[in-house]
Amino acid sequence: DGGITQSPKYLFRKEGQNVTLSCEQNLNHDAMYWYRQDPGQGLRLIYYSQIVNDFQKGDIAEGYSVSREKKESFPLTVTSAQKNPTAFYLCASSPFLQETQYFGPGTRLLVL
Amino acid sequence: AQSVTQPDIHITVSEGASLELRCNYSYGATPYLFWYVQSPGQGLQLLLKYFSGDTLVQGIKGFEAEFKRSQSSFNLRKPSVHWSDAAEYFCAVGPTNNNDMRFGAGTRLTVKP
Repeated sequence: DGGITQSPKYLFRKEGQNVTLSCEQNLNHDAMYWYRQDPGQGLRLIYYSQIVNDFQKGDIAEGYSVSREKKESFPLTVTSAQKNPTAFYLCASSPFLQETQYFGPGTRLLVL
Repeated sequence: AQSVTQPDIHITVSEGASLELRCNYSYGATPYLFWYVQSPGQGLQLLLKYFSGDTLVQGIKGFEAEFKRSQSSFNLRKPSVHWSDAAEYFCAVGPTNNNDMRFGAGTRLTVKP
């Protein structure tokens, strides 16, 4: 079955630690996205990638980094510079930009 | 600036009653419009989308939405709500200046038995 997988489902971060969230898709989509979701605030775009080896900052990119070395994969690193990382992180993909986005199940990040 | 407003943070309806969730947008051109649903702790599932053509759009799970350009609205409707419809609903508009989508803050739906 085609789809988007995110791992892990829950992730714990210690103060000063970088953590990486995984996102993989087998839909053969060119575009991929990372969103952050906080209660009552909807989804906010962190980074997006239109194509392999290219990515752009979204509205709240500070404290985050991404890479897009393969079409199928778009990992997100939450760095120690992100002072309030506790949130639900959602990855999405679409055939190309401006098309319908399909979402993974999400990763909940908690700070110890 | 492009924006999406969902005026109702929380709505409660009785099972079997009709439902309308509101979505208003601010946009300079003809938008692409989407409704997604999210169950607790899950990702978002697409309910329906409007790109062009017929302004009344049918989606999954018995939902429909109507694009009204004059009112800058894309309200979601269902004639008879089921208990399994309890979830959070997000309206989204695109493309933005960054070629991505802008999401509303969401409306949480509670269904009373």
